[in-house]
Amino acid sequence: GEDVEQSLFLSVREGDSSVINCTYTDSSSTYLYWYKQEPGAGLQLLTYIFSNMDMKQDQRLTVLLNKKDKHLSLRIADTQTGDSAIYFCAENSGGYNKLIFGAGTRLAVHP
Amino acid sequence: AAGVIQSPRHLIKEKRETATLKCYPIPRHDTVYWYQQGPGQDPQFLISFYEKMQSDKGSIPDRFSAQQFSDYHSELNMSSLELGDSALYFCASSVYGRTSGRRGANVLTFGAGSRLTVL
Repeated sequence: GEDVEQSLFLSVREGDSSVINCTYTDSSSTYLYWYKQEPGAGLQLLTYIFSNMDMKQDQRLTVLLNKKDKHLSLRIADTQTGDSAIYFCAENSGGYNKLIFGAGTRLAVHP
Repeated sequence: AAGVIQSPRHLIKEKRETATLKCYPIPRHDTVYWYQQGPGQDPQFLISFYEKMQSDKGSIPDRFSAQQFSDYHSELNMSSLELGDSALYFCASSVYGRTSGRRGANVLTFGAGSRLTVL
């Protein structure tokens, strides 16, 4: 998506932390989202953060938001092989708040 | 818990043929969205419906049309298919329209997708 940018690939060792970054352009976005897509599967919501928050933690997931720089990150602690997937950042846009997705970051976890 | 149901899961068509995809949203969800995801691409928003009325329109080709029926299921009709229409088509639903003042996160729940292959 042209309004949401992500790095395309990340490789980490099992047990390490993964950090996936995203930048967005729509400063009016009230919420920002992280979705996970496993091969051949649909999009699964992982977490979301309100634009007035700086951080949100949910078990192994930590979302950091820098609203000034329009930068969002997803940190996965103790990354497991089951975390291998494509991670999409998304912002809401428009009156009915459709989601605009980034290009996705493919996370590969190796032993 | 009930999820978003899409059918068919796989569909193979020839160029210039017509295809119809169906989506059954989660019960009591009032908004349905259609997305197209090409190979290695991010999901692109096509169109959405709120309470059976079209609510937003994205990059949907004129050859495509969609509607939402009285039972809230939605259908995406694609005519004069082209090779470039080969993609995963996702339907999603949410209760966003019911949120008072439309505050709060709009949590879209996605179906497993329908994979269309045009030969």
